[in-house]
Amino acid sequence: DIQMTQSPSTLSASVGDRVTITCRTSQSISRWLAWYQQKPGKAPKLLIYKTSTLEDGVPSRFSGSGSGTEFFLTISNLQPDDSATYYCQQYNSYVWTFGQGTKLEIK
Amino acid sequence: QVQLQESGPGLVQPSETLSLTCIVSGGSTNIYDWSWSATNSYYWTWIRQSAGKGLEWLGRISASGTAILHPSLKSRVVMSIDTSKNQFSLRLKSVTAADTAIYYCARAVADHGDYFGFWGQGTLVTVSS
Repeated sequence: DIQMTQSPSTLSASVGDRVTITCRTSQSISRWLAWYQQKPGKAPKLLIYKTSTLEDGVPSRFSGSGSGTEFFLTISNLQPDDSATYYCQQYNSYVWTFGQGTKLEIK
Repeated sequence: QVQLQESGPGLVQPSETLSLTCIVSGGSTNIYDWSWSATNSYYWTWIRQSAGKGLEWLGRISASGTAILHPSLKSRVVMSIDTSKNQFSLRLKSVTAADTAIYYCARAVADHGDYFGFWGQGTLVTVSS
């Protein structure tokens, strides 16, 4: 299975900041990567697929980039509602696998 | 808009079978029709989340009943679909404490591989005597 490593594990930032979360994969996955946001007690919510395509309704403050084995989720102009745990997921190679998550705290 | 809702017991005895059902709803459309759109095909999926293993994809089933399962669980998992009832199901046999998790059903977008656009709210299953 492809291993997914996210960094950092936790992140603290202020309203209005810009933050970047990194996801690295154990082998190349081209651009077959999705990002999810999960709030406590809720299911994950799809934010981005195919590395950089925003799901309908997701604010343009969220953006994704990368290819191969290194990917990035950037959130600009942080809002209090962005406090959540973020996960990457590869869908290049069966079995589909997820990163361990990055917890974002808004100061 | 498709909606998914898991149901099943919250407590299962060790060595017993965990059984969950996911009911799919969304207006007058049925699960069979929710499996295709003009641009995509969709699969019906189970994912679990535990403190020890994080998010783990368990398997998926098509509207026609073809299932693809996680290799490490293949010997213990059965997935089925009942399009007449707009629901699909998961059975996990011989459970242990390691199977304690929040279980989610989701609709997967088939795009090279699968990513997950709609999720149920999740149901906590605890394996304990």
